[in-house]
Amino acid sequence: GNSVTQMEGPVTLSEEAFLTINCTYTATGYPSLFWYVQYPGEGLQLLLKATKADDKGSNKGFEATYRKETTSFHLEKGSVQVSDSAVYFCALSDHDTGNQFYFGTGTSLTVIP
Amino acid sequence: DVKVTQSSRYLVKRTGEKVFLECVQDMDHENMFWYRQDPGLGLRLIYFSYDVKMKEKGDIPEGYSVSREKKERFSLILESASTNQTSMYLCASSYHREAFFGQGTRLTVV
Repeated sequence: GNSVTQMEGPVTLSEEAFLTINCTYTATGYPSLFWYVQYPGEGLQLLLKATKADDKGSNKGFEATYRKETTSFHLEKGSVQVSDSAVYFCALSDHDTGNQFYFGTGTSLTVIP
Repeated sequence: DVKVTQSSRYLVKRTGEKVFLECVQDMDHENMFWYRQDPGLGLRLIYFSYDVKMKEKGDIPEGYSVSREKKERFSLILESASTNQTSMYLCASSYHREAFFGQGTRLTVV
């Protein structure tokens, strides 16, 4: 079946530190992969996506590369800001299961000045 | 911009009440979803719909039903609310494998 596993939080970093949030997946078909971000009191917003192997998604300084060989889609940012404090969700969508989305449990990030 | 609007941000209901959560999207998307979000459990799919009058059970449909009479509107119904349904409820619509979320409804059942 389809599933997503991401590193548990919470994660606390100082401003300008390097961020990695690990995400691995299992899928029966050829999924698209996503990172969503949820700011306090809000719904989820798409941060970045990749639709095929070796694609790199990027947005707002965040990057993630679709690695089929390791079934991973780790989120990275070189220098985090206080405004990046949020919950981050890794997700996949698989045509073979009718475009359903499968989410990880979320990783809470707090960036301190 | 795609807009997915949930009718309430916060809702307090009593045990045993019938509760309606409404969701409207403005981009003619065929797919719509209802999730609940709980700490440590992430998002769990309750129901989804591919088209008008079509619905499919997700991972946790017990205690819920849905209605999709028009393409833009997808309603989640709690037939008889219970305290274990206190949660954040998120509606989403999707197109080309990208999901767009509403702002969420935080439901408290007392």
